[in-house]
Amino acid sequence: DTAVSQTPKYLVTQMGNDKSIKCEQNLGHDTMYWYKQDSKKFLKIMFSYNNKELIINETVPNRFSPKSPDKAHLNLHINSLELGDSAVYFCASSQRTSRDTQYFGPGTRLTVL
Amino acid sequence: KNQVEQSPQSLIILEGKNCTLQCNYTVSPFSNLRWYKQDTGRGPVSLTIMTFSENTKSNGRYTATLDADTKQSSLHITASQLSDSASYICVVTISNDMRFGAGTRLTVKP
Repeated sequence: DTAVSQTPKYLVTQMGNDKSIKCEQNLGHDTMYWYKQDSKKFLKIMFSYNNKELIINETVPNRFSPKSPDKAHLNLHINSLELGDSAVYFCASSQRTSRDTQYFGPGTRLTVL
Repeated sequence: KNQVEQSPQSLIILEGKNCTLQCNYTVSPFSNLRWYKQDTGRGPVSLTIMTFSENTKSNGRYTATLDADTKQSSLHITASQLSDSASYICVVTISNDMRFGAGTRLTVKP
């Protein structure tokens, strides 16, 4: 069984649209994360959720909003998509805090046209 | 300037050879330093994790070292295999924050 899963794997959409990416982990971890990896392969953390509370928000535009219905899910909703949002988005989880090993999902490649 | 610098940016070696990847950081103090392997089109996978007080950690053919005095870490890969072709990312954790290096792209050729 996949430990951290994301859907969809690929997402192609027009500028200005609103889209969501879903993430689920079955590891029983307390903390989940969203990362953005740009074309230069640089990973940047966007959000971190611990027990349904946001504990990191790295100057991400408010068009991006994480939503955590429960400890096992952290979805990423993006409003008014822009060309610069095109990237690969990774979800991850760790047992308690960012000091623990993180397990990454397979990524979602978002292309904004 | 990024607080975690990795070198080289890319590296090509022949199968069976050893190689060493470097990570220099400026953040201090830190909770831990990690090396991840990221295959093309996949999410990163943790290779090693070291706390401030550790100076070496092995995981099979991968050995990471840490020199807290010089703020340097290295990842040594022994007897490389074609499957080692990937990006290797150094990550330094400070409290609840993380600083990522840009990665080294390793290509192992037959």
